[in-house]
Amino acid sequence: AQRVTQPEKLLSVFKGAPVELKCNYSYSGSPELFWYVQYSRQRLQLLLRHISRESIKGFTADLNKGETSFHLKKPFAQEEDSAMYYCALKPMNTGFQKLVFGTGTRLLVSP
Amino acid sequence: EPEVTQTPSHQVTQMGQEVILRCVPISNHLYFYWYRQILGQKVEFLVSFYNNEISEKSEIFDDQFSVERPDGSNFTLKIRSTKLEDSAMYFCASSEWGVGTEAFFGQGTRLTVV
Repeated sequence: AQRVTQPEKLLSVFKGAPVELKCNYSYSGSPELFWYVQYSRQRLQLLLRHISRESIKGFTADLNKGETSFHLKKPFAQEEDSAMYYCALKPMNTGFQKLVFGTGTRLLVSP
Repeated sequence: EPEVTQTPSHQVTQMGQEVILRCVPISNHLYFYWYRQILGQKVEFLVSFYNNEISEKSEIFDDQFSVERPDGSNFTLKIRSTKLEDSAMYFCASSEWGVGTEAFFGQGTRLTVV
C-alpha cells in the first residue's frame, strides 16, 4: 500500500528562520515524490518534484530512500511562504497522475 | 497560463439529491481526474479518465458516482443520491501523459450536503 505521512499539522516560524516540513512515505516500488502548495484561497499547485532536483522559491527537497523521506526545506522563511503544503507520491514510470497525498502541514511565517 | 476551471465554487444540496460538478480541463491535456478532500482530512484520489473511459478508480468511487466528458471541453462528476458524508471539497485535475508530467488542479467545488 502507498502511504504518505506528514507528522506536523502546523509549523509556525519567524521570518528568516529555517524551515523543514517533514514527509515520510511507504511504498514498495519506486516512487515519484512531489510537494504541492496551496496558498490562501488558491488552487493546489506543484511546488517541486524529486526527479527534477530543482529549487523553487528557495525550497529544496531530497529523496532519501533509506529513510523513505522527502522533507521540504528552506533556509530562510518569508512571510509569503505561509500556506498549506502537501507531500504526495505516485508510482514511478506511470504516465498518469494518481497521487497519494499526505494530510498536509500548514506553515505560518510570522514577521 | 492555462488553468483548470471548476463550477460552481460552492454547491449546497439536500441529502438524496443528484448533483453534477463541472470542470473544464486544460485543452491539450488527455488525462482527467477527480479528487476530494473531506474537511480536515487528506486529498484523496477518486477517479482518472482517459480516452472517454475510466482508467482507474478508488474504492471511494462507488456506484453513486459517475464521470462523463459530454463534449470536447467539459468533464463532469455526478453523484446520484448524495449522502451527508459526501460533503467535501472536490478537485478536478488534468495532465498530459508521461513520466515527469504534473497534475494541474482546479480551485475546487465545495459540496455541502444538508
